[in-house]
Amino acid sequence: TQLLEQSPQFLSIQEGENLTVYCNSSSVFSSLQWYRQEPGEGPVLLVTVVTGGEVKKLKRLTFQFGDARKDSSLHITAAQPGDTGLYLCAGVNYGGSQGNLIFGKGTKLSVKP
Amino acid sequence: EAQVTQNPRYLITVTGKKLTVTCSQNMNHEYMSWYRQDPGLGLRQIYYSMNVEVTDKGDVPEGYKVSRKEKRNFPLILESPSPNQTSLYFCASSLRPAYSNQPQHFGDGTRLSIL
Repeated sequence: TQLLEQSPQFLSIQEGENLTVYCNSSSVFSSLQWYRQEPGEGPVLLVTVVTGGEVKKLKRLTFQFGDARKDSSLHITAAQPGDTGLYLCAGVNYGGSQGNLIFGKGTKLSVKP
Repeated sequence: EAQVTQNPRYLITVTGKKLTVTCSQNMNHEYMSWYRQDPGLGLRQIYYSMNVEVTDKGDVPEGYKVSRKEKRNFPLILESPSPNQTSLYFCASSLRPAYSNQPQHFGDGTRLSIL
């Protein structure tokens, strides 16, 4: 079974600071997805990265897929309190018969005003 | 509005009393799945369904059953709940299976407490 490790587990920063969240594996993934989950709600997809080395931007969020497709990062520039939430990376595990989505344990981000 | 609807949102019950958590999606999605989310363990898949009458085990299927008689509904059944099934449960759906890079659409969760 492929595993996804996220770091850091917790991150508490002040508004305006920059931060990076990492998602690493020893296995190759065909693609990785990033989700954000807010309290009392289900995860919501932010982005899917497919090609090794790919960089995608979503306003102040920058997502990168490693060249070897084993890792990914999420960088937030000038964080705002609205960025607070649990950030999850997810990739397809081909250990099963059909391939199911497996999730990292998440990074809990708190942005203080 | 496109959505995945779970019911109930909260449930406190006792060991051994059968319960069903319903999940319905209005997006005509083929793929549906159930996850449980626990502190320190993250989201783990319980069961998934590729289409009507096609279901398969995820990573933590023990103690759970599912059925997919209609495309829109995918109920999760706990025949004899135990305290270790106390958790936050999410239903999700997507147009195609996970390996097609389709986004998963999640419900808002069901918080189950088994006493």
